[in-house]
Amino acid sequence: SQQGEEDPQALSIQEGENATMNCSYKTSINNLQWYRQNSGRGLVHLILIRSNEREKHSGRLRVTLDTSKKSSSLLITASRAADTASYFCATEGAQKLVFGQGTRLTINP
Amino acid sequence: EAQVTQNPRYLITVTGKKLTVTCSQNMNHEYMSWYRQDPGLGLRQIYYSMNVEVTDKGDVPEGYKVSRKEKRNFPLILESPSPNQTSLYFCASKPSSGSYNEQFFGPGTRLTVL
Repeated sequence: SQQGEEDPQALSIQEGENATMNCSYKTSINNLQWYRQNSGRGLVHLILIRSNEREKHSGRLRVTLDTSKKSSSLLITASRAADTASYFCATEGAQKLVFGQGTRLTINP
Repeated sequence: EAQVTQNPRYLITVTGKKLTVTCSQNMNHEYMSWYRQDPGLGLRQIYYSMNVEVTDKGDVPEGYKVSRKEKRNFPLILESPSPNQTSLYFCASKPSSGSYNEQFFGPGTRLTVL
């Protein structure tokens, strides 16, 4: 069953702008992870935030987690053309990752 | 280089012809998993393994088998493939079944069943 729901499904912005993607989930989690997938290729892990953390940074990435609202957001600052990809949130519960359907991000030069 | 490899990367086959997709990791990871990715459905877990000789069903195990005879390998077996198993398949691994490890994904296997 799908747990994470990303919003928006697609996002198109200009290079240099910030991109924000949101994820909502339904059940309690141990952690929430964000992955990037370039068209039809493997998934690359971006960042993991534990259920007892509220915010985490990694380079141009900032992730927040609100367990009371069962939601997370991924912010990519100063976007680049190479950031064009699909982004997935995944929640980890009992021995498995449950993925959302992803946000397709397009960065226009 | 630490990696998860899958073979083949692309496969076209016919209904009913048994096939195996191999997955191997060189990171000594205990946990391995198989996912399929379909448009509009995202990634769904097929099977996972917490260690050698320990496997369990994920969300969509029907029509698939797995084995974990050694730590590095986790093959996915389709005994009698059907067209609804046409999909993009990913193998993944992580150090242990604990909850604070990222998963490392293979490059994917695109399977078409005619």
